[in-house]
Amino acid sequence: AQSVTQPDIHITVSEGASLELRCNYSYGATPYLFWYVQSPGQGLQLLLKYFSGDTLVQGIKGFEAEFKRSQSSFNLRKPSVHWSDAAEYFCAVMDSSYKLIFGSGTRLLVRP
Amino acid sequence: DAEITQSPRHKITETGRQVTLACHQTWNHNNMFWYRQDLGHGLRLIHYSYGVQDTNKGEVSDGYSVSRSNTEDLPLTLESAASSQTSVYFCASKNTGSVEAFFGQGTRLTVV
Repeated sequence: AQSVTQPDIHITVSEGASLELRCNYSYGATPYLFWYVQSPGQGLQLLLKYFSGDTLVQGIKGFEAEFKRSQSSFNLRKPSVHWSDAAEYFCAVMDSSYKLIFGSGTRLLVRP
Repeated sequence: DAEITQSPRHKITETGRQVTLACHQTWNHNNMFWYRQDLGHGLRLIHYSYGVQDTNKGEVSDGYSVSRSNTEDLPLTLESAASSQTSVYFCASKNTGSVEAFFGQGTRLTVV
């Protein structure tokens, strides 16, 4: 069965520092992969997605993610974090029936 | 603008009561989904629908039901609310064949 693992429950970084959020997936075929962000009290907003082609994908708000098939990973990165990036981040894979399967999320805290 | 709306945004109910959460989208999307969000579990799929009169069980469907009488709406019913169903509920929709889903703002349900 397909699954998504986000091994870090919380991550704290200083404002201006770089960020990497980890995501590992389990899926037999070429996956459709997503990163969503949820600000407090809000719904989910799509940051970026990967279907095929270039393994480095760019998203909104300066985020990018790299698909590594050999490691079954799709880690999210940002070179310089802003205080407004504090939120919960979810990695997801779309299964063969077009349903999203989510990881448990990583809460990002930003130190001033 | 097209959108997806959930109502109510907050609900407190008593154990054993029947509760219905509404989800309405104006994109004319065929596919609609209900998720619950719990700490440490991310978002888990409750029920989903690929079109009018179509409903399917997700990962955590026990105690919940949905019906799809038109394209725009997928109400979620808790037949007899239990404290374990205290959660934040998200509705999502997407077009058939598309991989991008759009989420509502969520409904926070508390069962006392």
